[in-house]
Amino acid sequence: GAGVSQTPSNKVTEKGKYVELRCDPISGHTALYWYRQSLGQGPEFLIYFQGTGAADDSGLPNDRFFAVRPEGSVSTLKIQRTERGDSAVYLCASSLRLAGPYEQYFGPGTRLTVT
Amino acid sequence: QKEVEQDPGPLSVPEGAIVSLNCTYSNSAFQYFMWYRQYSRKGPELLMYTYSSGNKEDGRFTAQVDKSSKYISLFIRDSQPSDSATYLCAISGGSNYKLTFGKGTLLTVNP
Repeated sequence: GAGVSQTPSNKVTEKGKYVELRCDPISGHTALYWYRQSLGQGPEFLIYFQGTGAADDSGLPNDRFFAVRPEGSVSTLKIQRTERGDSAVYLCASSLRLAGPYEQYFGPGTRLTVT
Repeated sequence: QKEVEQDPGPLSVPEGAIVSLNCTYSNSAFQYFMWYRQYSRKGPELLMYTYSSGNKEDGRFTAQVDKSSKYISLFIRDSQPSDSATYLCAISGGSNYKLTFGKGTLLTVNP
């Protein structure tokens, strides 16, 4: 079946601009996660949704970052006033509600470059 | 001290070699230990996971966890050029959903 999809695959934006990154989880997966992977680093947790609500947003670096999942399926990660330090690959993962931590399925990521 | 430490390499081996990849962690509350493989410009894919201590084998791959020394390992036997990728260790504890990753080790298997 279809895996997690993310769009766009690449995004180049200028410093100070606003960007939106989209994640389509695997059908039926109620849990959704965002991670950020900087160059040469492992993914870092940003936020976790169970259904429509953000159950844990402790990984969001500051208030320029915000994520929504209004209908419990597709999620959008929004970054305001982008900075060069935001350049990274943004990964989305999804899982079933009572899945173990090893059952997160990752998408291919969106590579964000802030110039 | 970071929660998970992993030597980023790079590691280059000839085809057929045994590869050993390792991570250390600091929080004894972690219970799940995972290894992911990540090809260039792709998302991580789960290779193996272990709950608590012990060994787990799957084909050419063996995962080991030593909770007393907070040390996890992945062994790859008879390595193949198709194993060339970045290998990430990840751990999870009480929250059971938040994965904490190591930096990843870039492995190249030369034919």
